[in-house]
Amino acid sequence: AQSVAQPEDQVNVAEGNPLTVKCTYSVSGNPYLFWYVQYPNRGLQFLLKYITGDNLVKGSYGFEAEFNKSQTSFHLKKPSALVSDSALYFCAVRDPNNNAGNMLTFGGGTRLMVKP
Amino acid sequence: NAGVTQTPKFQVLKTGQSMTLQCAQDMNHNSMYWYRQDPGMGLRLIYYSASEGTTDKGEVPNGYNVSRLNKREFSLRLESAAPSQTSVYFCASSGQEDTEAFFGQGTRLTVV
Repeated sequence: AQSVAQPEDQVNVAEGNPLTVKCTYSVSGNPYLFWYVQYPNRGLQFLLKYITGDNLVKGSYGFEAEFNKSQTSFHLKKPSALVSDSALYFCAVRDPNNNAGNMLTFGGGTRLMVKP
Repeated sequence: NAGVTQTPKFQVLKTGQSMTLQCAQDMNHNSMYWYRQDPGMGLRLIYYSASEGTTDKGEVPNGYNVSRLNKREFSLRLESAAPSQTSVYFCASSGQEDTEAFFGQGTRLTVV
């Protein structure tokens, strides 16, 4: 079975500082990994994904994430946080070897608070 | 470009009442999903449909039924609502497995 863990319920960072939101996954084969952001009272918005190739992927709003196969991690990063980055962030995994067909599993979410 | 449209946006039900949440996508996606979001629990998959004509249970299917009416529409039905089903419900759709899912704006359901 595929699963995702986000070990931190909340991450606090000062504006201008780098941020990291952690994600680890479990799948039987090579994963497809995604990050989404949710602003209050809104649906989820796609940020970036890792499918294959370069382990460092870049996405929207200056975010990037690093795929680490040996540590089964896909941490979200940004070099300089903005107050407007404050939101709820979700990591998700899809196992292309899963015959269940395209099932997408999410982590519990991490609330990012960026303080001025 | 509508994307994924969910109706209604808000609903209050009494225990035991039934209702159907509607979802439609205009992106010609094969796969559609229903999730519920509860505080501290993230998004949990209720049911999904990998293609028109197929549906499968997710992590928390009890108390729900779904219908993939056609390629565009995927509805979620609560036959006898319970307070434990108070949640925010999201519909999503996706195309090929290496592409991202697109989400609706959510339905906030309260069962009293």
